[in-house]
Amino acid sequence: DQQVKQNSPSLSVQEGRISILNCDYTNSMFDYFLWYKKYPAEGPTFLISISSIKDKNEDGRFTVFLNKSAKHLSLHIVPSQPGDSAVYFCAAASGSARQLTFGSGTQLTVLP
Amino acid sequence: NAGVTQTPKFRILKIGQSMTLQCAQDMNHNYMYWYRQDPGMGLKLIYYSVGAGITDKGEVPNGYNVSRSTTEDFPLRLELAAPSQTSVYFCASSPGVEQFFGPGTRLTVL
Repeated sequence: DQQVKQNSPSLSVQEGRISILNCDYTNSMFDYFLWYKKYPAEGPTFLISISSIKDKNEDGRFTVFLNKSAKHLSLHIVPSQPGDSAVYFCAAASGSARQLTFGSGTQLTVLP
Repeated sequence: NAGVTQTPKFRILKIGQSMTLQCAQDMNHNYMYWYRQDPGMGLKLIYYSVGAGITDKGEVPNGYNVSRSTTEDFPLRLELAAPSQTSVYFCASSPGVEQFFGPGTRLTVL
């Protein structure tokens, strides 16, 4: 049973436009959410996070929104750039060791 | 800082062989983790450690073992390799919540 779901395996966006990546979760014990970016043959790199007590966190071109009642979060990238093309993973933290549960990822392609 | 390093980068094993995947970090993080990523899937937690001498199972621990004798090192041992263990393995470390990942080890079991 997938506790963190990314239902869109891929997304294509024109350069300069907004990219919106979505993530749903089922476990109410998750209290921290993170987005990671992954290029081929590299490890994931941290992008942005949000605590469950907030509904929005912004860092430059990246904004994460959290809707706790819907158990849904989204990552907005504005404006999108070709270098943003990568696989984006949503992850949720729980437990005393802050174990992460990952979604299956969304391949973002930003077209020039 | 080198961050999180993993060796080897690639390895091919025969069924039944064993090997150790090495992971080291130089950020003095207490928390360390091992994940595997299968094609088209997210990362799944194999084992984790909250400090030297303390380890615990994650979601998919069967067929693997770990040890943590120092803060810096967290090796993952595969005993009796099986084709189902063909995957990309990532090690990560963390000071709290945000995890920093190594470049991965691509393992093929034939």
